[in-house]
Amino acid sequence: SAVISQKPSRDICQRGTSLTIQCQVDSQVTMMFWYRQQPGQSLTLIATANQGSEATYESGFVIDKFPISRPNLTFSTLTVSNMSPEDSSIYLCSVESETGNYGYTFGSGTRLTVV
Amino acid sequence: GQNIDQPTEMTATEGAIVQINCTYQTSGFNGLFWYQQHAGEAPTFLSYNVLDGLEEKGRFSSFLSRSKGYSYLLLKELQMKDSASYLCASRRDTPLVFGKGTRLSVIA
Repeated sequence: SAVISQKPSRDICQRGTSLTIQCQVDSQVTMMFWYRQQPGQSLTLIATANQGSEATYESGFVIDKFPISRPNLTFSTLTVSNMSPEDSSIYLCSVESETGNYGYTFGSGTRLTVV
Repeated sequence: GQNIDQPTEMTATEGAIVQINCTYQTSGFNGLFWYQQHAGEAPTFLSYNVLDGLEEKGRFSSFLSRSKGYSYLLLKELQMKDSASYLCASRRDTPLVFGKGTRLSVIA
């Protein structure tokens, strides 16, 4: 399965600032997914990042707040903009197995705390 | 949406067997996954079912009934290290939608 390098692993940020999270995959993948996991909760999909087109956002998430880049088939970034304490969460990128049988592989996650 | 229901918490004894149930919306179903997530770590893949029946992988087995929209994860010979959250995830079209997870505590 693919190996994903995600960084930063954690950060503490001031409210009103922005943080960009990076994910690098060791193989070319068609789609990358960005999830959020709030404390004690399950994973909520933010958006699907497609190479060469705009990301597809889920209900409740907008591009102005969570801009995404996907410059090539191995890399994506998610920016959390104008942060507030409610954005404190773990953010995870993931990719689907190319065979489709092994679900998603996840990056190690970014633990964000907004103060 | 894809309503996925699973118990919030379960407790079981070391060496015992535990079954974690999951129900999901059946329309357009195209696969059911189970993931394990230890505290502070990313989820890791455990199993995948797309056809009815039982899939066995060592101490872990997963069952699917498509007509009932039902799956379970069976953990045998429980070990303390099995204490984790277990996430059920359903796929109709990508991407995966996850349930809220079941937090399993294994006690001595």
